[in-house]
Amino acid sequence: DIQMTQSPSSLSASVGDRVTITCRASQGISNYLAWFQQKPGKAPKPLISAAYSLQSGVPSRFSGSASGTDFILTISSLQPEDSATYYCQQYIYNPFTFGGGTKVEI
Amino acid sequence: EVQLVESGGGWVQPGGSLRLSCVGSGFTFSNYWMNWVRQAPGRGPEWVANIKPDGNEKNYVDSVKGRFIISRDNPKNSLYLQMNSLRAEDTAVYYCAAYSSTQGIYWGQGTLVTVSS
Repeated sequence: DIQMTQSPSSLSASVGDRVTITCRASQGISNYLAWFQQKPGKAPKPLISAAYSLQSGVPSRFSGSASGTDFILTISSLQPEDSATYYCQQYIYNPFTFGGGTKVEI
Repeated sequence: EVQLVESGGGWVQPGGSLRLSCVGSGFTFSNYWMNWVRQAPGRGPEWVANIKPDGNEKNYVDSVKGRFIISRDNPKNSLYLQMNSLRAEDTAVYYCAAYSSTQGIYWGQGTLVTVSS
């Protein structure tokens, strides 16, 4: 199975800060990488698919990038409503696997 | 507007069965790999199973192989998960999710399955 190693596991930042979350795949996954945002009691919300593509309705302060097996979610200017847990997921090889999550506190 | 609506969750005793359903709208259901993903209380999401757009390929996580069956009915825009021999560790919110390599990803709001005596 492909392991997705996500870092950091938690972070605390201020409104307006630039925040980056990293996800490393244990082997090549092309760009079949998605990022999700989850708030307490809610379903995970897809933010980015195919490593770079912003899902419809997602604010443009969110962006995704990739370099080999390393993937990065960037929030360019952190907002209060961005307080959540973020997960990455590879969806090219079964079983699809998730990273361990990053809890973002503001 | 894209919607995925799950139903069929509830409480069941260990060893029992449940059938989850998911209805999609607002997108071309028959073009998407359809998935079930679950999330146990306090844990991260775990992928459970998926099925190819034409229904001819199905994949499962090891922990549910031989117990769960995924199926779909494209004319009804519906996805199903038949869950048998349920265990306490199957307790989770179950999400229906649509994945496309070109059209993006959609998730439902989930249905809670509780396995307990």
